[in-house]
This record gives sequence, C-alpha cells and structure tokens, in this order.
Amino acid sequence: EVQLVESGGDLVQPGGSLRLSCAASGFTFSNYWMHWVRQGPEKGPVWVSRINPDGSSTDYAHSVKGRFTISRDNAKNTLYLQMNSLRVEDTAVYYCVRVPYYMEVWGKGTTVTVSS
Amino acid sequence: DIVMTQSPDSLAVSLGERATINCKSSQSVLYSSNNKNYLAWYQQKPGQPPKVLMYWASTRESGVPDRFSGSGSGTDFTLTISSLQAEDVAVYYCQQYYITPQTFGQGTKVEIK
Repeated sequence: EVQLVESGGDLVQPGGSLRLSCAASGFTFSNYWMHWVRQGPEKGPVWVSRINPDGSSTDYAHSVKGRFTISRDNAKNTLYLQMNSLRVEDTAVYYCVRVPYYMEVWGKGTTVTVSS
Repeated sequence: DIVMTQSPDSLAVSLGERATINCKSSQSVLYSSNNKNYLAWYQQKPGQPPKVLMYWASTRESGVPDRFSGSGSGTDFTLTISSLQAEDVAVYYCQQYYITPQTFGQGTKVEIK
C-alpha cells in the first residue's frame, strides 16, 4: 500500500525552527517528485515547496523562500522540510504529497502551530 | 502566479440532483505540445487530506465513482456530480499544475439541501 506519514509538527514560538519528516512506503520513492503543501485553519491548500527525484532541484513558494529548505534521503525513503524563522502565518497542517504531475497521494498531515 | 477562481463558494443540492462547480484560471493551462489541460479537482472532507478526483481536467482517478465528471479547456473548467449522494458532502478544489507555483481555487462547499 502506498503510504506517506508526516511527523515533526509542534507548537513553536515565532522565530523558532522545526524539521518535518515524511516517511514514504509502498512505492519507489526515488522515482517521484515530492511536494509539501500546507493548509491553514479554515483555509484552502497552499503549495509550499517541491524537490525532484534525485534531490538536485528545488522550488519554493514566495512566502517561504529563504526560510524553508526541502530535502530528501532516497536511501531512507524520507522527505524533509526544515523550517526556520517561523511566523504566526506559517501555522497550518503540513502535507507531504507524491506528485507525478497532479497531487496524487497525500499523507494525513502534521500540525505546526506558531504562537507565543 | 496563476489565480484560480471557483464559483460558487457554496451550494446546496438535493440528494440525487446535479451539482456543478466552475473553475476559471487567470491564464490558459492548456499545454499545446500535448493538448493536455494541467488541471485537477480534489475533494476534501473534514479532518482528511484532499483526495484527487480528476486530472488532465477530465480523467477520473481510479476508484472515483462515475457520477463525477470534469470538462473544459484553456481557462474554463467544470466539475459535475451527476446525482449527489450523502457521501459527496465536502469542499471541492480545482488546482493548476501547469506552472510553479501550483495554485488552488478557494474551494466550493457542497451541502445537502
């Protein structure tokens, strides 16, 4: 069964850091582009970042560029999102998504709350 | 960035009746070299992640009931639920994957009348 399981979400103060992880199973992880998508409370999904299959190419939303870093370890079948200089507006559920073209497989998400 | 605009924001439909959701993109998402529209539709129920229903604007994802259909091309798209069932109560989003950043519509909430 194809599965994506996120972890690492927490309550953090503004200016703090967190690292999210996404463990993939049931498919050849190294063949796929992987994305992070977030969804704030009572809001629609928003694309955050993506990484190509071998990890050599990354893209970021304007709102997180310079603060967030996406990476992957294909040997461990794991996707990461390092989040620094967190802001209140980064509060959201963060989803790991497998993307052949469209957003095909979603994890259940991990919750990040930025608050003092 | 491509702006995706859905209409209506919400609609209430009787069980067994048709529900229609529209989505308009601020620029074409039709890639001329392969004649594919880079447009997907997602369904999201409370407490769950979005689930893909349609991609390439009109291709139904495996396991999605055939009462769901997608149409349109270029900048104007439609998701139709031909006969609304109770389990279809959800928020529906369109999304373009033509260019990065990939962007979503604001969502349409479908309820039972």
